[in-house]
Amino acid sequence: DAGVTQSPTHLIKTRGQQVTLRCSPKSGHDTVSWYQQALGQGPQFIFQYYEEEERQRGNFPDRFSGHQFPNYSSELNVNALLLGDSALYLCASIRTGAGTGELFFGEGSRLTVL
Amino acid sequence: ELKVEQNPLFLSMQEGKNYTIYCNYSTTSDRLYWYRQDPGKSLESLFVLLSNGAVKQEGRLMASLDTKARLSTLHITAAVHDLSATYFCAVDPSGGSNYKLTFGKGTLLTVNP
Repeated sequence: DAGVTQSPTHLIKTRGQQVTLRCSPKSGHDTVSWYQQALGQGPQFIFQYYEEEERQRGNFPDRFSGHQFPNYSSELNVNALLLGDSALYLCASIRTGAGTGELFFGEGSRLTVL
Repeated sequence: ELKVEQNPLFLSMQEGKNYTIYCNYSTTSDRLYWYRQDPGKSLESLFVLLSNGAVKQEGRLMASLDTKARLSTLHITAAVHDLSATYFCAVDPSGGSNYKLTFGKGTLLTVNP
């Protein structure tokens, strides 16, 4: 059973460019969340998708947007990249209503903005 | 705004010793997570604590939750080098199924021979 998979694993962009990150949730999971983890910090919640809708959002600007597809996979888009967007972007998935409440994280996409 | 504070942020231990990492949070919650992260890697789920008084143990690690004190602890028994990693606690304040986690800054644990 494949866990949460993310692509690409590493990428380098320059300021002002746009980036798209992708996530496939663990089999049977329908809810996908995205987190940003800056170096030396804990992850910060960006937003969450369920039934192809953004259900919750953290304190991130509109440059951060996302999408969820009918197969539950998700994309994170960041426009007008800033140096401060350099971070590890983590995707987490869960099956809504799961009794354990356990979130599973992917390996992440490490974004470097030059 | 929910705040999650971990203490200590840096912990250097000798093998064989015991120690405790503390996680305090600022709002009501009955769902508390502990994760481990190795350098350059993703988050590995250690424990999910779902109610007041919950205690879970896996190997040399034991986690507990006191929702009244808004405190969780991660106790390390007889540390070994393989436990060296960063440990995060995270809180879901919703009490339901929102799964919107607020993380602490992490505790960098180094276990020395």
